Amino acid sequence: EADIYQTPRYLVIGTGKKITLECSQTMGHDKMYWYQQDPGMELHLIHYSYGVNSTEKGDLSSESTVSRIRTEHFPLTLESARPSHTSQYLCASSELRASGDNEQFFGPGTRLTVL
Amino acid sequence: AQTVTQSQPEMSVQEAETVTLSCTYDTSESDYYLFWYKQPPSRQMILVIRQEAYKQQNATENRFSVNFQKAAKSFSLKISDSQLGDAAMYFCAYETSGTYKYIFGTGTRLKVLA
Repeated sequence: EADIYQTPRYLVIGTGKKITLECSQTMGHDKMYWYQQDPGMELHLIHYSYGVNSTEKGDLSSESTVSRIRTEHFPLTLESARPSHTSQYLCASSELRASGDNEQFFGPGTRLTVL
Repeated sequence: AQTVTQSQPEMSVQEAETVTLSCTYDTSESDYYLFWYKQPPSRQMILVIRQEAYKQQNATENRFSVNFQKAAKSFSLKISDSQLGDAAMYFCAYETSGTYKYIFGTGTRLKVLA
């Protein structure tokens, strides 16, 4: 399995709480991503980073924020969780291959439930 | 904008048989990459196979192969000699060269019957 880690794996919290989902990778990849995935559904890109101090919003609007202070670390924060934030959040990192494509390696995901 | 379509929400295959999962995409780009990812239940998503659009030869990885039809914008995955461990969600993904971002299809759930 890829060396990319997410904590916690499962989180159940009440509405209005601030939460941070952690993502770390030990592969030295410059690019990192956050996806939101409802059960059995497609992945939607919500944030990405091409390197330290670089963050961009993805294709799906999200109330979450991210930071990239260190290459290996890409945490996602929700300032005030709501039931609509209930979902699975997948973190990924990637390296540019010699062939020019960009293989992404995925973490195990955090399943978030907001009551 | 690019789109990826997987028209089969669920497929079943008998163990040791062959199954083909469909994927079509739409793009006006000429330089891009296509991927199939596997997401087993409660396990990490992993890359199964990749295809460079500029290569006419279909990619193969052991029991997994693709049928890449560039003009038809079709990218199907064939799994031969299906095994119980192949049961998973399979996602087709597209990347325009240089964007470093994927567009995923909605996925196909593959069941392998013993």
